[in-house]
Amino acid sequence: DSGVTQTPKHLITATGQRVTLRCSPRSGDLSVYWYQQSLDQGLQFLIQYYNGEERAKGNILERFSAQQFPDLHSELNLSSLELGDSALYFCASSDTPGGGTAGELFFGEGSRLTVL
Amino acid sequence: TQLLEQSPQFLSIQEGENLTVYCNSSSVFSSLQWYRQEPGEGPVLLVTVVTGGEVKKLKRLTFQFGDARKDSSLHITAAQPGDTGLYLCAGGSQGNLIFGKGTKLSVKP
Repeated sequence: DSGVTQTPKHLITATGQRVTLRCSPRSGDLSVYWYQQSLDQGLQFLIQYYNGEERAKGNILERFSAQQFPDLHSELNLSSLELGDSALYFCASSDTPGGGTAGELFFGEGSRLTVL
Repeated sequence: TQLLEQSPQFLSIQEGENLTVYCNSSSVFSSLQWYRQEPGEGPVLLVTVVTGGEVKKLKRLTFQFGDARKDSSLHITAAQPGDTGLYLCAGGSQGNLIFGKGTKLSVKP
């Protein structure tokens, strides 16, 4: 058990819909990262928050947004969903803010999104 | 764009065999990590290497970071079925981890 909790574990929805994925980081970790994992693209970095502030942005689509709340949990919002958004979405946390090294990332079990 | 290429993409071997998987890039990384991911779970960190030429051993696993900090290898001695999984390398850059697509290892008893 990594200590990172993600909900829901599975989600099936239709194209054009909007979903919210939730992540609770490990106790004491201030950084939260979101990754998308698909068979052909591997694990793609989406976005990172540190103590409520956006720290780094990766290949995140404009249809996607995220935030980190004062209690440090984070949400990833995916809107106008397309078939190609079907993937595993992982949240990870760490106790480092980033900078030179990312430190160890602790991953949740992921949320599997299926868009029909 | 920094990319990490892993090879081979798939590897199926018998229990007891040795294997090496590779992680290569044209970019220099401040650190490199290896993770293992099992089906239905998130990746779990195996090791972090930060110094060019560094070699780290974790039981039957040996990790090496290239002198130029652009590549790394993972060698498993006497592989066991419990080693089965997806092995991911990840390079540290500007606070983020860039992941390779992984090597899917299957060790048959």
